[in-house]
Amino acid sequence: DAKTTQPTSMDCAEGRAANLPCNHSTISGNEYVYWYRQIHSQGPQYIIHGLKNNETNEMASLIITEDRKSSTLILPHATLRDTAVYYCIVRVALGSGGGADGLTFGKGTHLIIQP
Amino acid sequence: GAGVSQSPRYKVAKRGQDVALRCDPISGHVSLFWYQQALGQGPEFLTYFQNEAQLDKSGLPSDRFFAERPEGSVSTLKIQRTQQEDSAVYLCASSLLGGHATDTQYFGPGTRLTVL
Repeated sequence: DAKTTQPTSMDCAEGRAANLPCNHSTISGNEYVYWYRQIHSQGPQYIIHGLKNNETNEMASLIITEDRKSSTLILPHATLRDTAVYYCIVRVALGSGGGADGLTFGKGTHLIIQP
Repeated sequence: GAGVSQSPRYKVAKRGQDVALRCDPISGHVSLFWYQQALGQGPEFLTYFQNEAQLDKSGLPSDRFFAERPEGSVSTLKIQRTQQEDSAVYLCASSLLGGHATDTQYFGPGTRLTVL
């Protein structure tokens, strides 16, 4: 799976949009971009994923650049409960399972929402 | 419906003891994954099951680590002769299918293992 690069930490004011960048310049055409977050003392929580089109769900929006070498996760109105480590993961799938199905986490971005 | 559950949530072991960590995946999920998360690091893949078949165990750090899922549902991760470097949070995840990039993994709360 392609390697991702994320800032170590970011601050955002409560109520503002939080924009978390991720670089994945070696991404392949069959690799998806996934975002998970991990709140302290909990397991990772799925947020959103995409291939090349922008995606939106009830939690966030995912903007992927046209060349797919980078993406941005947007939390539109950040709350204190959004303080967490956010992981950007690129993932390729094989048809019948195997090691590629295990997610490769980096160190993520520690997002701190300030009151 | 219930999510992925893990037990115990916390485990303290003396060096050299054997431990067994349990994972109950979401009902009906075919795929099950184990990850290890050291303090301050992201989770690292250990092993993967599709039903009862262990398709990948490339991430298991040593032959002291053993995982099973005999009936394709509940899984147990066993660590023999625990060492201090085994101290970590052990996470379990399950997914409905497996083998496709859009198959989302759902994680349990983890078991925090401390080896003294």
